[in-house]
Amino acid sequence: DAEITQSPRHKITETGRQVTLACHQTWNHNNMFWYRQDLGHGLRLIHYSYGVQDTNKGEVSDGYSVSRSNTEDLPLTLESAASSQTSVYFCASSDQSSTDGLAGAYNEQFFGPGTRLTVL
Amino acid sequence: DAKTTQPPSMDCAEGRAANLPCNHSTISGNEYVYWYRQIHSQGPQYIIHGLKNNETNEMASLIITEDRKSSTLILPHATLRDTAVYYCIVKPRFQKLVFGTGTRLLVSP
Repeated sequence: DAEITQSPRHKITETGRQVTLACHQTWNHNNMFWYRQDLGHGLRLIHYSYGVQDTNKGEVSDGYSVSRSNTEDLPLTLESAASSQTSVYFCASSDQSSTDGLAGAYNEQFFGPGTRLTVL
Repeated sequence: DAKTTQPPSMDCAEGRAANLPCNHSTISGNEYVYWYRQIHSQGPQYIIHGLKNNETNEMASLIITEDRKSSTLILPHATLRDTAVYYCIVKPRFQKLVFGTGTRLLVSP
């Protein structure tokens, strides 16, 4: 069955280290997203991509980067991890359906299981 | 995007219908109403969405008022597994999702 996976599921790192979180989907979806979730803030969008070689900044992109070299993967990199980046990270994907109407799958985002990152 | 207002928490007895309200009085004509939920420690899960007509799928029903200023998500026979945070999101179809703080639904035996 098609799915979206994230790895690692748990990560502990130190301040200043570079960290990469992996996201892999097998639905062949064009759109992929990274969110972080913190108590009191809900889910906030970090970066997103509408296709290969396309990346866009979300509302909390500082300190993060992504690259999209193929359809299946959107790795999230923390260039120099900070304690403020301790959070749960969710990856999501959606299909860019060309059909109109409520049956279109464009905005039904499928979320991964999450990665819990702790920066000490 | 239109702002939404949801109660922070609700309770429901198992087997009863859970009716989760959402106010979106500033909704624009091109904005859809989406519902997602997040069960503890899991990623969010899409439930349903609609524009102006009521919608039903295998998970839930979405009732949108005629003026589109509010909506209600109905879980017809709530189970313990429906305990989750429910997010109402209003936005144009081709814009990204913005999650608020949602309604925490507790289904009790």
